[in-house]
Amino acid sequence: VQLVESGGGLVQPGGSLTLSCAASGFSFRNSAMSWVRQAPGKGLEWISLSIGNGYTTYYADSVKGRFLISRDNTNSAVYLEMGGLRVEDSAVYYCTKGLGYGYAIEYWGQGTQVTVSS
Amino acid sequence: DIQMTQSPSSLSASEGDRVTITCRASQDIANFVAWYQQRPGKVPELLIYAASTLHSGVPSRFSGSGSGTDFTLTISSLQPEDVATYYCQRYKSAPLTFGGGTRVEIK
Repeated sequence: VQLVESGGGLVQPGGSLTLSCAASGFSFRNSAMSWVRQAPGKGLEWISLSIGNGYTTYYADSVKGRFLISRDNTNSAVYLEMGGLRVEDSAVYYCTKGLGYGYAIEYWGQGTQVTVSS
Repeated sequence: DIQMTQSPSSLSASEGDRVTITCRASQDIANFVAWYQQRPGKVPELLIYAASTLHSGVPSRFSGSGSGTDFTLTISSLQPEDVATYYCQRYKSAPLTFGGGTRVEIK
């Protein structure tokens, strides 16, 4: 199993960024995919979940209305479109895969750093 | 939303000690709890799911118990490689909330 994130970087407050995660080594279309972030020196924060065909999605209150998760089951990829970025969104963002058909996290990518600063 | 409260936030124990970390859910979540280990500078790893099922490859000194609102992660004999932060997570339905973490150190 491999999860490879890309798209992180430095962005100004109010800006946008799209993260990508290329997945391989498992049945992608049957897996729940989540994004989890971790601010420097802080704990883990689940932020979004995409299930199956991608029409069922969930968000943490902290990002609802600003972030959009999507997936491409043909190309085994999941995306996180981030808008209205705030300084407090600065974190390492991990792409993760659910265990079996469930939502416990079995695999984590290496993470991509997002820094929101002027 | 259901909150997950971990305690203690940190602990220091001697090698070979038995270590217990607790996680309390604000509502009944049956057994839909996972535990993760994050070593310093590393990506988190799944230790336990369904409250008590050891994930593949995890040493048997780790165990989990509980159901409903109260859950426990136990390390039966603390080893140097267990220095890490441990997180619980509810995962039955979104939001898939994590606990605040417990930092484990060796005296």
